[in-house]
Amino acid sequence: ETGVTQTPRHLVMGMTNKKSLKCEQHLGHNAMYWYKQSAKKPLELMFVYNFKEQTENNSVPSRFSPECPNSSHLFLHLHTLQPEDSALYLCASSQEQTQGRNIQYFGAGTRLSVL
Amino acid sequence: DQQVKQNSPSLSVQEGRISILNCDYTNSMFDYFLWYKKYPAEGPTFLISISSIKDKNEDGRFTVFLNKSAKHLSLHIVPSQPGDSAVYFCAATSPGAGSYQLTFGKGTKLSVIP
Repeated sequence: ETGVTQTPRHLVMGMTNKKSLKCEQHLGHNAMYWYKQSAKKPLELMFVYNFKEQTENNSVPSRFSPECPNSSHLFLHLHTLQPEDSALYLCASSQEQTQGRNIQYFGAGTRLSVL
Repeated sequence: DQQVKQNSPSLSVQEGRISILNCDYTNSMFDYFLWYKKYPAEGPTFLISISSIKDKNEDGRFTVFLNKSAKHLSLHIVPSQPGDSAVYFCAATSPGAGSYQLTFGKGTKLSVIP
């Protein structure tokens, strides 16, 4: 148990569906992240939230819409996805520090299949 | 273009022997490196890290070596155990990005044979 919980663990959706992925961290961290891991590719950072404010959006298509209502919860809203969006979606969190580097802690991920 | 490269997709090692996982990077701005371990159906778990001001960091059976001139780092696991069988990811970050921009390699799948 890493302290980062993602639901659901598996999701199958059609291209016209709307669904949401949820992430909750119990570590008291103030930064949260969404990553995408496709087969045979490195983890790709999608979004970063620091103190609930989005600080990074790595050219992610608008069919992915993040929401961070507080520093413990992060959502990824999905709509009109494409089959190539099928992947493992990972949430992570970290604590911003003035010195040293932050370690990101990951959830178990949501395995998404778009039909 | 990939800035962090793990050129070996897989590695098999006998139990009790040394496992050496390699990672190369191209961005000279990277100054902090991390290794993550991932079991199937779980998220990546932080294993060990090293700052560019060091050339070695050790934690139990795990040692990371950094060769800045070659832009190369390696993770040594001694002795290897069957429970070490997992996918290992190398990641790097640079000062400007803080911790936010972790650039990952594709991973190396380690199999430790009993």
